[in-house]
Amino acid sequence: QSVLTQPPSASGTPGQRVTISCSGSSSNIGGNYVYWYQQLPGTAPKLLIYTNSQRPSGVPDRISGSKSGTSASLAISGLRSEDEADFYCAAWDDSLSGWVFGGGTKLTVL
Amino acid sequence: EVQLVESGGGLVKPGGSLRLSCAASGFTFSNCSMNWVRQAPGKGLEWVSCISSSGSYIHYADSVMGRFTISRDNAKNSLYLQMNSLRAEDTAVYYCARDTGSGELWIPFDYWGQGAVVTVSS
Repeated sequence: QSVLTQPPSASGTPGQRVTISCSGSSSNIGGNYVYWYQQLPGTAPKLLIYTNSQRPSGVPDRISGSKSGTSASLAISGLRSEDEADFYCAAWDDSLSGWVFGGGTKLTVL
Repeated sequence: EVQLVESGGGLVKPGGSLRLSCAASGFTFSNCSMNWVRQAPGKGLEWVSCISSSGSYIHYADSVMGRFTISRDNAKNSLYLQMNSLRAEDTAVYYCARDTGSGELWIPFDYWGQGAVVTVSS
């Protein structure tokens, strides 16, 4: 059971916009930044979004992040087949004094 | 180019020990906090432990507290994870991952290694 809650799966057709939610509590998302990671099959995770909504260089602007209260969202517009991957949210948890991840969302491009 | 290369994984019996290493290059290792994150087969990511740049501050996940020890040698640009009293549920790919930034602009896990496979089985 993950501290942060994500839907196990999401899907969309090429060109569509999909969103992935991440729900937490006041001890993690509610009081700290949210980060998102993409894990392509058979590879190590890669940083996608930091401090709720910032993109590292190289991440296209069709990918965006937002946070409201104790929840966060990752949005991917103009969906492409190469976006098929597992996506994870993460935040620092003040009660646990450690990082917590969501359970991950498998994105399928139909 | 930032590179993190894990080593030391393998097959170990329940109750046994293993020491993972992570060799860092391409950045000033002594300036960065570091982490171990693991992923059990077919499962999601689980943060294991982190250590500050100087080694003064260390945190562990409850699941490994008292069994695992994180350490670093800044002179050798290396991160370590000593794993004792291993259990079947510790079976996973173990990644070392770098933190960057400071204060408000803290970015955890901005670079990851390729992972080391640890299998705990009799």
